[in-house]
Amino acid sequence: KQEVTQIPAALSVPEGENLVLNCSFTDSAIYNLQWFRQDPGKGLTSLLLIQSSQREQTSGRLNASLDKSSGRSTLYIAASQPGDSATYLCAGNNLYSGAGSYQLTFGKGTKLSVIP
Amino acid sequence: GAVVSQHPSWVICKSGTSVKIECRSLDFQATTMFWYRQFPKQSLMLMATSNEGSKATYEQGVEKDKFLINHASLTLSTLTVTSAHPEDSSFYICSAEYINGGVMQYFGPGTRLTVL
Repeated sequence: KQEVTQIPAALSVPEGENLVLNCSFTDSAIYNLQWFRQDPGKGLTSLLLIQSSQREQTSGRLNASLDKSSGRSTLYIAASQPGDSATYLCAGNNLYSGAGSYQLTFGKGTKLSVIP
Repeated sequence: GAVVSQHPSWVICKSGTSVKIECRSLDFQATTMFWYRQFPKQSLMLMATSNEGSKATYEQGVEKDKFLINHASLTLSTLTVTSAHPEDSSFYICSAEYINGGVMQYFGPGTRLTVL
């Protein structure tokens, strides 16, 4: 089954810095990959979704890439702001015949702190 | 569009009682819904896949008699935690599968369960 790993587990950067969050996955038969943001005690906010046929997606200061051959995805955040402080989760979507449905497998997340 | 709600947003109950959590897709129909559990500082773990009109598919290690799932309609799935104990205290999040040219999951805001 799919396994998703995110490094680093935590990251602290000064405001204004550009940063990269890393995500790796073991099953390259991925249907799509999503990046989410989670604030403490809250649910998930979807940031970007990359289909398996795509290489990257951009939304504002966020850019996510997908390299199926190497089993990696990155989330690039430009000009970080204190409001970007949150936990960022990467999730791979695969079809599992046993369950007869697509399933998301989540990484443990990277906790980002942007220092003013 | 594609909004998922959960009710209640938080619940505190005594040990031994049962708690029902509702997950609704507000503006789309979802044949498939998912239930996740998230312990503090951990990632989301899939508990079960809920299919409208049929039995749920539980992940390994999840007790089906303790976590009862009913997908009564195309817009409603319920998770009942039976005879809750303090170790069941967690953040429970549901998602609904949305199919529109592709497959995506939209997430509810989560339910914080505290068992005393």
